[in-house]
Parts: sequence; C-alpha cells; structure tokens
Amino acid sequence: EVQLVESGGGLVQPGGSLRLSCAASGFTFNNYWMTWVRQAPGKGLEWVANIKQDGSEKFHVDSVKGRFSISRDNAKNSLYLQMNSLRAEDTAVYYCARSPLTFDYWGQGTLVTVSS
Amino acid sequence: QSALTQPPSASGSPGQSVTISCTGTSSDVGNYDYVSWYQQHPGKAPKLMIYEVSKRPSGVPDRFSGSKSGNTASLTVSRLQAEDEADYYCSSYAGSNNFVFGTGTKVTVL
Repeated sequence: EVQLVESGGGLVQPGGSLRLSCAASGFTFNNYWMTWVRQAPGKGLEWVANIKQDGSEKFHVDSVKGRFSISRDNAKNSLYLQMNSLRAEDTAVYYCARSPLTFDYWGQGTLVTVSS
Repeated sequence: QSALTQPPSASGSPGQSVTISCTGTSSDVGNYDYVSWYQQHPGKAPKLMIYEVSKRPSGVPDRFSGSKSGNTASLTVSRLQAEDEADYYCSSYAGSNNFVFGTGTKVTVL
C-alpha cells in the first residue's frame, strides 16, 4: 500500500524557516518524480514544486523561487521542502504527492502557519 | 500561470448526473492530454478520480467520467450518491514543468 506521511509543519513567524518532510513507503520511491502541493485555508490547490527521480531536476512555482527548495533522499525514501523567508501568504496545508504528470497518491498534509 | 476556471458550485439529486467544467487556455488544457480530476472531502487529502482526460484509476467507480473539447475539460458524475458530495478540482500540465489547478467546484447532493 502506497503511503505518504508529511511532517514538520507548525507555527512560524514571518521571515522564519521550516523544513517539511514526507516519508514514502509501499512503492519504489526512486522510480518516481515527487511533488509538493499546498492549499491555503478555505482556498484551492496550488502546485509548489517537483523533483526528478534522481534529484537532478527541480522546479518551483514562481511565487516561491529563491525562498523554497525541494530535495529528496532516496536512501531514506524521503522528500523535503526547505522553506525560508516565510510570508503570511505561505500559510497552507502542504501535501506531498507522487507524480510526474498525474498526482496519483497524496499524503494527509501538514499545516504551516506563518504569523506573528 | 492563472488557475483553471471551474464553476463554484454544482448540485443534483441522488441518481441524477452532474457535469463540472474546467476551462483553461491553449497553453494548458488545450495543448496537453494531461488533465486530471481530484475529489476532496472536508479535512481530507485530494483523491485522484480521473487522469489523462478520461482514464479512471483502479477502484474509482465508473460513474465518474472525463472528457475534453478544445480548452475545456469536463467531469461527469452519473447516478449521484451521497458520498459524492465533495469539492472537485481539475488540474492540467502547462508545459515547462508547470502545473495548474482549477478553482474548485463544490458538489452538493440535494
């Protein structure tokens, strides 16, 4: 059974940093692109970033470029999202999902709240 | 990249059908057959219902079907059931490793 479990969310002040993690199991992690998608409270879904199987290619939505960085550790079957210079508008539930062109499995999400 | 346009709401009685539209541009929906649909119940993660315009993942009832014409994709839920009440989002590949989601549609079973 495919499982994706996010962790690392919480309350952070504007300008602060957080590192989200996503632990994958039930499939061969290094065979798949992986993606982060976020959802602000009461709002729709927004694609944030994705990363190739070997980590050699990474892409981020314009609104987070230079602030967020996606990475992975295939030995640990884990996906990460390093978030720096956080803003109030980054407040959202962050989901990891298996990709590349269809997001076929999702984690339960982790809530990031940026507030003073 | 602008969000794909969906109607905010749709409704139907049990047993009826409801169709949700998803309108994009020639740069996303109109140019790629990588349109997906996701169902999201309150407080839950999205669930894939349709991929590549009209394909159903294993375990998704055949009451769910997808299609596309030009820059608009559609999701039809036939024989509505109470458990179909949820938010539905479309998504499309938009080239250059960009993806765009729809604005979301709340489906109510009357």
